[in-house]
Amino acid sequence: AQSVTQPDIHITVSEGASLELRCNYSYGATPYLFWYVQSPGQGLQLLLKYFSGDTLVQGIKGFEAEFKRSQSSFNLRKPSVHWSDAAEYFCAVGPTTSGTYKYIFGTGTRLKVLA
Amino acid sequence: NAGVTQTPKFRVLKTGQSMTLLCAQDMNHEYMYWYRQDPGMGLRLIHYSVGEGTTAKGEVPDGYNVSRLKKQNFLLGLESAAPSQTSVYFCASSDGSTGNTIYFGEGSWLTVV
Repeated sequence: AQSVTQPDIHITVSEGASLELRCNYSYGATPYLFWYVQSPGQGLQLLLKYFSGDTLVQGIKGFEAEFKRSQSSFNLRKPSVHWSDAAEYFCAVGPTTSGTYKYIFGTGTRLKVLA
Repeated sequence: NAGVTQTPKFRVLKTGQSMTLLCAQDMNHEYMYWYRQDPGMGLRLIHYSVGEGTTAKGEVPDGYNVSRLKKQNFLLGLESAAPSQTSVYFCASSDGSTGNTIYFGEGSWLTVV
């Protein structure tokens, strides 16, 4: 079955520290992968996405993610976290066939940033 | 650049009341979706539409109805609200092509008392 797993429900880091949020997927084909961020009281905003090619993807706000096929992972990283990065982060798999509708989302990782 | 717009943003309903959430997108997307978000459960798909005049059930459709009379609008209705429908509702849209991005509205907070 297709699934997305975010093993960490909550993560706390100090401002200025590095960050890695984990995402593992189960999908029959090479997936299209996304990371979204949700600030309190807001909708989901796209951080970055992977379709093909270079396995290291750069996104907005200084985030990057690396696709590792052998590990079925798409982990999100940031070298130095800012207090404004406190939010909930969602990993998702998108449809690989045109005309199909289904996106599969992880249950999210809530990031807390200590001053 | 409006993107996906949802109204209302907040609403309190009494059990048994009905209401409609309106979603509008200005990106000419074919696909539209309604999700609900509950603590610890991520996003769950309620209903979706792959084009004007079409709708289909998602994972958790019970207690909800939808309509897509115009391509840009997708309405979510609650005919008889229940406390279990207290949630945050998100509308989203995509263009239906391979690898396309799904875009979200800012959410509608619904409380049923």
